[in-house]
Amino acid sequence: GAVVSQHPSRVICKSGTSVKIECRSLDFQATTMFWYRQFPKQSLMLMATSNEGSKATYEQGVEKDKFLINHASLTLSTLTVTSAHPEDSSFYICATVNTEAFFGQGTRLTVV
Amino acid sequence: QQQVKQSPQSLIVQKGGIPIINCAYENTAFDYFPWYQQFPGKGPALLIAIRPDVSEKKEGRFTISFNKSAKQFSLHIMDSQPGDSATYFCAAGYSGNTPLVFGKGTRLSVIA
Repeated sequence: GAVVSQHPSRVICKSGTSVKIECRSLDFQATTMFWYRQFPKQSLMLMATSNEGSKATYEQGVEKDKFLINHASLTLSTLTVTSAHPEDSSFYICATVNTEAFFGQGTRLTVV
Repeated sequence: QQQVKQSPQSLIVQKGGIPIINCAYENTAFDYFPWYQQFPGKGPALLIAIRPDVSEKKEGRFTISFNKSAKQFSLHIMDSQPGDSATYFCAAGYSGNTPLVFGKGTRLSVIA
């Protein structure tokens, strides 16, 4: 299966600061990557679809100015949580699709 | 709206038992149905997936049963072990570069 590397695995930041999460497709070129958010004991909710070389597509209710997505190369997509607040604390997971969907290890964001 | 309904929410079985997790979908255009296993603090890992042209697929101790007319599919874990204790998610989607829709998850506990 595809290898998806996500970094960092954990991050703690102060309220009002920005945090960048990286998602790398290590063994194939991913024109599309997906970003999900998962709250404790809940399912994965799609936030946005990241498209290489073009703007991301955001799901309804997801603030595009708060969750900035950049997909500048075929192997890297980044999610930046801007002006983070405690309610943004969550588990963020990226995924790629290469015949089947594979997920990164996830990033636990805690905003204090 | 929830397009994939998963049950039960939680499940406890004895070691060696066969837990069964069920999912139902609404969109008849879905043609890809994977199951994921997630341990706490980790990203979901693909277990097994099925497409609508077959009614059953086995990989090791994991079996998917698929009923296209009923729009249902289920995961069976044979000879379950304590190490299988995790949260299991069913999902549905389309072939190609499109995101998956997830069920709400089932927390499985296998007790010795």
